[in-house]
Amino acid sequence: DIVMTQSPDSLAVSLGERATINCKSSQSVLYSSNNKNYLAWYQQKPGQPPKLLIYWASTRESGVPDRFSGSGSGTDFTLTISSLQAEDVAVYYCQQYYSTPQVTFGPGTKVDIK
Amino acid sequence: EVQLVESGGGLVQPGGSLRLSCAASGFTVSSNYMSWVRQAPGKGLEWVSVIYSGGSTYYADSVKGRFTISRDNSKNTLYLQMNSLRAEDTAVYYCARGATMVRGVISYWGQGTLVTVSS
Repeated sequence: DIVMTQSPDSLAVSLGERATINCKSSQSVLYSSNNKNYLAWYQQKPGQPPKLLIYWASTRESGVPDRFSGSGSGTDFTLTISSLQAEDVAVYYCQQYYSTPQVTFGPGTKVDIK
Repeated sequence: EVQLVESGGGLVQPGGSLRLSCAASGFTVSSNYMSWVRQAPGKGLEWVSVIYSGGSTYYADSVKGRFTISRDNSKNTLYLQMNSLRAEDTAVYYCARGATMVRGVISYWGQGTLVTVSS
C-alpha cells in the first residue's frame, strides 16, 4: 500500500496570511506514461463530509476559490491557501489514487485561525 | 443536482450484521464508480470499497471477506452489506461518487451514516 503522511498535524494562521500543508507519499504517484501526479486534496469542515479541492496535484475542482493551489511532483506535494479566510477552517486531507482502486488518504492537517 | 443519502447505520453488537443503503439522485449509479469511505470518530478517512460501472468490486484488506458492495439499478441505490462486525468498524460511513474523468478521485459525498459496534 502507498502510505501518505502530512505535516504539520495542525497549524494556526492569521486571517489573510498564507497556510501551507505538506503531503508525502511512500512511493512516487507520478505516472510516467502521461506525466500526471495521481494526488488529490480534500477539505472537511466540522460536521460535514469532505469536499474535493484539487486533483492531478494542481487542478482546481470547479467552483474552488483560486486562493487554493496545489503543487509538487513524485512523492512531495503542497497545498497552499494564499490568504486564509474564516471559512477555510477545516481539516485538509491528501489522497493518492495512483494505486486505484486501493486509494489511500493522509492523516489530515487541521487549519485554525490564529 | 447530485444527491447521496445514506441510511441503515446504528448500534450493533460485535459479530453482528448491518446493511447500509445510499439512495442517489441526479445521476445514474450504474453509470458511475461508487465507493464507501469511512471515518472513525475523531480520525481520518479510510477507503472501504468500490464498485465500477462494469460491476467489478474491490475491497480494503481490513474488510475483505466481511463486507459486500452492491447496487440496485432499478432503485438507483448503492449498498454495503457488513457482516462479522468488529469494534474497529465503528465509524461514519460515507457513500461517494467518483469523478467522471478521473478514476480514483471522489467528487460527491453523502452526509454519512454512523455505525457503532459495541456490546
